[in-house]
Amino acid sequence: SQKIEQNSEALNIQEGKTATLTCNYTNYSPAYLQWYRQDPGRGPVFLLLIRENEKEKRKERLKVTFDTTLKQSLFHITASQPADSATYLCAPDTGRRALTFGSGTRLQVQP
Amino acid sequence: GAGVSQTPSNKVTEKGKYVELRCDPISGHTALYWYRQSLGQGPEFLIYFQGTGAADDSGLPNDRFFAVRPEGSVSTLKIQRTERGDSAVYLCASSPQQLAGASDTQYFGPGTRLTVL
Repeated sequence: SQKIEQNSEALNIQEGKTATLTCNYTNYSPAYLQWYRQDPGRGPVFLLLIRENEKEKRKERLKVTFDTTLKQSLFHITASQPADSATYLCAPDTGRRALTFGSGTRLQVQP
Repeated sequence: GAGVSQTPSNKVTEKGKYVELRCDPISGHTALYWYRQSLGQGPEFLIYFQGTGAADDSGLPNDRFFAVRPEGSVSTLKIQRTERGDSAVYLCASSPQQLAGASDTQYFGPGTRLTVL
């Protein structure tokens, strides 16, 4: 069955460093993959979408890669700031309109 | 502009009671989704509406859960005979629903936190 894995342990980094979060999927080949940010008490907010024919996508300090051979997406935040602290969710396409999310990785950026 | 709104923000009920959760999507969005999120987990899909009809209800856990969208805008998620295991945050999302097969960004509401005592 389709499986999506994100590191369940929180990632703690110092302000100014690059944060790298991982999303692995197994047993299927998504046509695209989305990343969302979720703050406590709020709903997820869309950040980026990357398609299977795109190796990399950037938006300001955010960069996403998509390796269909490794079945993995990496989400990078450069020059991280305390305001980047949140939970980041990946949602690989499963062929349905509804999103199927990983469990999310909580990022904590220390000042 | 107004985003997706959900009411109530919090709902505490007793086991066995009936609850209704409301979602007001972004105006003009034809697609509406309900998800459920437990602590430490990502949102899990419940049901998806395209207009007034339920296009995919495969995520509803059992027949105690039901949702409607009678006029193609506001939706209500209804839970009968609530159980303690129903406690979670219920999220609603909407999207403009582009071409079939296209990837739609979904816009989420803040959720309703349901606690069943």
